Amino acid sequence: NAGVTQTPKFRVLKTGQSMTLLCAQDMNHEYMYWYRQDPGMGLRLIHYSVGEGTTAKGEVPDGYNVSRLKKQNFLLGLESAAPSQTSVYFCASSYSNREGYEQYFGPGTRLTVT
Amino acid sequence: DAKTTQPPSMDCAEGRAANLPCNHSTISGNEYVYWYRQIHSQGPQYIIHGLKNNETNEMASLIITEDRKSSTLILPHATLRDTAVYYCIVDGGSQGNLIFGKGTKLSVKP
Repeated sequence: NAGVTQTPKFRVLKTGQSMTLLCAQDMNHEYMYWYRQDPGMGLRLIHYSVGEGTTAKGEVPDGYNVSRLKKQNFLLGLESAAPSQTSVYFCASSYSNREGYEQYFGPGTRLTVT
Repeated sequence: DAKTTQPPSMDCAEGRAANLPCNHSTISGNEYVYWYRQIHSQGPQYIIHGLKNNETNEMASLIITEDRKSSTLILPHATLRDTAVYYCIVDGGSQGNLIFGKGTKLSVKP
């Protein structure tokens, strides 16, 4: 099993450009999450999904959109990138959102917006 | 905000046990204690979790006090590859997400 994979690993964007980050998991997990991590800080939830075809806002959703057309994929889109979106983005998945179920994280996408 | 308190940093000699403490005095009865670690520039890695009883797996042991107000993660024989930031998490967000604090930066030294 590959676990959770993320594409791309690195990206540099100019302000105003758009891009899509892809997260894929092969563990048949229902729940998927997008977090961002800024230097010296913990992870903050951007958006999440509780199953195929569903998405919901997390703690810091502004400037991002997501889609979950297939159970195994969770896409994060930036329509008009801003320097404040320079961060490392992590995707995670889990079998359940109930207590006692761990989350599995991808390796991250390092995004720089100039 | 995270409901846990951890020391910002700790050192450990290679081959010795690393004992990482965590205070969670406001934990509620049905909240689990989770431990994750993040090796530089990598995604967080799940280590172990528990509710009331002590737990052990191939990576570590988790000791939870009887009143559940604190816990200790034990890496029995630390190696240089265990150098990482270790996060103790007890407050899952309402969406099922994990709420990360600042963690403990563990440095394993030769």
